[in-house]
Amino acid sequence: AQSVTQLGSHVSVSEGALVLLRCNYSSSVPPYLFWYVQYPNQGLQLLLKYTSAATLVKGINGFEAEFKKSETSFHLTKPSAHMSDAAEYFCAVIRNGGNQFYFGTGTSLTVIP
Amino acid sequence: KAGVTQTPRYLIKTRGQQVTLSCSPISGHRSVSWYQQTPGQGLQFLFEYFSETQRNKGNFPGRFSGRQFSNSRSEMNVSTLELGDSALYLCASSLGGVQTGDEQFFGPGTRLTVL
Repeated sequence: AQSVTQLGSHVSVSEGALVLLRCNYSSSVPPYLFWYVQYPNQGLQLLLKYTSAATLVKGINGFEAEFKKSETSFHLTKPSAHMSDAAEYFCAVIRNGGNQFYFGTGTSLTVIP
Repeated sequence: KAGVTQTPRYLIKTRGQQVTLSCSPISGHRSVSWYQQTPGQGLQFLFEYFSETQRNKGNFPGRFSGRQFSNSRSEMNVSTLELGDSALYLCASSLGGVQTGDEQFFGPGTRLTVL
């Protein structure tokens, strides 16, 4: 079954440093890939969505992700981390012909001042 | 416009009891999905309702059930609660539902603790 794998359950970066959160999907190219962010005691908020229209997807709050078919990856990046970026990040996929979201296990981002 | 609301936000129950959680979607959204979030299992899909019909169901026992009303509001019921049902239950609404890839808007969740 289509799934996603997030490498690194915890990532720490210094304020102002590059943020790189890794996500790999399995097998066939999925129609939709997502990155969501969850702040403490809140629901999930969509950061960006891949729909095959463009391989580089820009999202909110300065985040972007690049779809790389050759690497089966959809890593999330942000050039300069801000303290407010500290949160849990989830990669998710809807598989071909699928009807439900499959979420990765999440990556907790800590930003060090 | 108002976001997705979930009530109650916090709930404490004992084993064997049953519980009902409520979700009000964004106005105009016909799809409501439910998820269970736990530290051990992460985010897992429970079911999706669209226009009062259950469209998809995840791999959960029959103790977990739901329904959707004509105004798209949805309820989730868990019967015979077990300790392992302690979790954050999230609902999400969207226009066309999961299979269309429409953005899902999540509520803040209901934190259920089973003692």
